Amino acid sequence: QKEVEQNSGPLSVPEGAIASLNCTYSDRGSQSFFWYRQYSGKSPELIMSIYSNGDKEDGRFTAQLNKASQYVSLLIRDSQPSDSATYLCAVNWNTGNQFYFGTGTSLTVIP
Amino acid sequence: GAGVSQSPSNKVTEKGKDVELRCDPISGHTALYWYRQSLGQGLEFLIYFQGNSAPDKSGLPSDRFSAERTGGSVSTLTIQRTQQEDSAVYLCASSWRQSSYNEQFFGPGTRLTVL
Repeated sequence: QKEVEQNSGPLSVPEGAIASLNCTYSDRGSQSFFWYRQYSGKSPELIMSIYSNGDKEDGRFTAQLNKASQYVSLLIRDSQPSDSATYLCAVNWNTGNQFYFGTGTSLTVIP
Repeated sequence: GAGVSQSPSNKVTEKGKDVELRCDPISGHTALYWYRQSLGQGLEFLIYFQGNSAPDKSGLPSDRFSAERTGGSVSTLTIQRTQQEDSAVYLCASSWRQSSYNEQFFGPGTRLTVL
């Protein structure tokens, strides 16, 4: 059973702080990893993708991948109230077509 | 450029009726996915199309669900004899081609309510 797990939260951080979102997955054969942001009532919006171990930075967002420990994380620096949303982790196993999504972590940035 | 579009945005139907949901992927994207998201839940994979290959239907929850993709572009998801548990947001996503490296882009979704 392939699984992607996220802490459902809610995670609350003050404005300007670093928000840290974590995701673990069950299959070592996983090949690619994605973070999506989903505002209430809206569809998921791609934030970042990461394929290799280490860090990948894009503006205020940093994705971190550790395949040995089977986790991927998303750091949001200088958090803003507009970052308040549910963040979905998605994983693709190289054996199939499916992308497996976690249930998401709800983030609230407090002004 | 234009993103993934879906129609209708909302659909209310009576139990037992059939519904059709439409997805128009980003131009040039050959891979197309359908997902279902129930209130407060994660995304549930339904079906996947890649070019002219046979679709991956492994996520369809029952034989009341079917989907087709005409001409490698527009896709229609059909739910026959709808049940109340079919109420959810149905999301379509597309990507360039079948590869685990390719990023999916989502449409706005169709909110289905079965009374």
